[in-house]
Amino acid sequence: DAKTTQPPSMDCAEGRAANLPCNHSTISGNEYVYWYRQIHSQGPQYIIHGLKNNETNEMASLIITEDRKSSTLILPHATLRDTAVYYCIVRPSNFGNEKLTFGTGTRLTIIP
Amino acid sequence: DSGVTQTPKHLITATGQRVTLRCSPRSGDLSVYWYQQSLDQGLQFLIQYYNGEERAKGNILERFSAQQFPDLHSELNLSSLELGDSALYFCASSAVGGGRNEQFFGPGTRLTVL
Repeated sequence: DAKTTQPPSMDCAEGRAANLPCNHSTISGNEYVYWYRQIHSQGPQYIIHGLKNNETNEMASLIITEDRKSSTLILPHATLRDTAVYYCIVRPSNFGNEKLTFGTGTRLTIIP
Repeated sequence: DSGVTQTPKHLITATGQRVTLRCSPRSGDLSVYWYQQSLDQGLQFLIQYYNGEERAKGNILERFSAQQFPDLHSELNLSSLELGDSALYFCASSAVGGGRNEQFFGPGTRLTVL
């Protein structure tokens, strides 16, 4: 699986947009970019995923560069409850290869 | 609430003992995954079952085993426990396979080995 690189920590003011970057320069054509987050010691929570195009759902937006070597997760209006560790994961699309390989993630702290 | 349930929430036991962790996937999900989260190793994939069959194996020790039953619930058995097995154990489920399916995680079982 392609390796991902994320900053270890970031701060964001409450109410502002939080932009979390991720580098995945060795990503292959059949690999998706997934984002999960883990609030304290709770189970990781799925946020969003994408292949080539930008994606948006009720939680966040995912911007993938044209060369697919990096992506940005955007939380449009961060709240205190968004304080968590955010994991960017690259995962193949073929059946039988569904495991998630978690890195160290970005610890996002929302400042009141 | 992800729809994935895990029991027990907490487990305290002694070295050398054996424990069983239980997971019920979301209704209709055929795949079950087990992950271990320890302070020094982070979140690591252990094993995956799909519709009762083992599908993928990660860094799972020989002292650990798992199975998925006909009703799709899964159990993770940990034996000859060591202090280093103390960790959070998460179960996740997904609908089918392939890279387009997100995994939904349960609340975890915190295992403490004394």
